[in-house]
Order: sequence, then structure tokens, then C-alpha cells
Amino acid sequence: EAAVTQSPRSKVAVTGGKVTLSCHQTNNHDYMYWYRQDTGHGLRLIHYSYVADSTEKGDIPDGYKASRPSQENFSLILELASLSQTAVYFCASSDWGTNQDTQYFGPGTRLLVL
Amino acid sequence: GDQVEQSPSALSLHEGTGSALRCNFTTTMRAVQWFRKNSRGSLINLFYLASGTKENGRLKSAFDSKERYSTLHIRDAQLEDSGTYFCAAPGTGGYKVVFGSGTRLLVSP
Repeated sequence: EAAVTQSPRSKVAVTGGKVTLSCHQTNNHDYMYWYRQDTGHGLRLIHYSYVADSTEKGDIPDGYKASRPSQENFSLILELASLSQTAVYFCASSDWGTNQDTQYFGPGTRLLVL
Repeated sequence: GDQVEQSPSALSLHEGTGSALRCNFTTTMRAVQWFRKNSRGSLINLFYLASGTKENGRLKSAFDSKERYSTLHIRDAQLEDSGTYFCAAPGTGGYKVVFGSGTRLLVSP
């Protein structure tokens, strides 16, 4: 079974502080994604990456940076956390381009910005 | 852009009953994926379909790319089925996945 892990699982941050969310996958997938999920909304793509040392902007990248230091690891960075960034964040990986480009999700990180 | 309309937004079922969730797509999608967000907040992968139907226990999903819709049928609903269900499909950008807004299912005794 594919495995995507996230850390921390939950975090409380102060406005203006820096937050780093980490994601690790053991699927040997090229693609990794960061989404945020807000109540009443589907998941929205923040950043994604298709190769180590490269990241791409998703649909809502403002206020977020991403880092892909290796194929297995993908981080989401909030340099100056804001109240509006309170949400649940999901990391995913997929082997896009194959016949089964299923997205495999991590367990999610619940972020509360105060 | 690619859009996914998911309905209903909320659904209440009594144990033992069933219903269907539906996602309509504004463009032709090549596949669909269904997830459940469980009580712990994790996303559980239910189905991935490129066509036809798949069944797993009390869940059955169908996908019609030409007609631009997918359904998720739940039968004999149990309390543990409660949660939020999402459909998702690869967008025209290939790598991107577009999500429905979710269906909050509550199963009561």
C-alpha cells in the first residue's frame, strides 16, 4: 500500500510566525502536491512538484512556498502565517502519466493560526 | 476551467438505507477518484475509475466519461460510513486534480 506521511499532524501557530509542514512518501512517485481543505470546499492546490529541486505554483500559491529537496520529501512553508491560513493541509503523491495516476494522500495536518 | 459539481452537499441516512452521490463534470474527464474523509480527518481512497463500474463491499461507483458524470452508491449504510465524501478528477492540465466540494454524510441509528 502506498504511504504518504505528514508532520506535524496538528500545529498551533501565531500570526506572523513561520510554519513548515513536512511530507514524506515512500511510493517512488515523481509528483507531489500540497492542498488545503476548508470546510465546505474541496481541496485546493497550493503547490506541486514533479521532480526534486523544482516546485510549481498551483491554484492558490500566495502566502506559501514549497521545497522539494528529494523525491521523497516535499515541504510547505508559511513564512508569515496569517489567520486566513487556518485550514487542514493535505500532501499527496501520484505517479502521473501512468494508467493509474491515483492520488495518494497523507493523513493531513490541522493548522490553527492565532 | 475544469469544474466538478458534487451533490448533494449534505445527506442524512438511517442505518440500513442507501443513497447515491453524484459528480458532474463540465468537461470530459479521463478518470475519477472517490475519497472519504474520516472522523480522524484522513482521506481514504475509495475508488479510482477510468470507465465502467467498481464495487467494494457496500460501495459501488460508476463513471461515464462521455456523459460527464460519476456516481457513488452506498447501500446498507452503517454508522461508520459517516464522513465527508469527495470526488476528484484529473484536469486538462494533466497533473492537476479538480475536486468536488464534498458531501457530508451522516448516518444515524
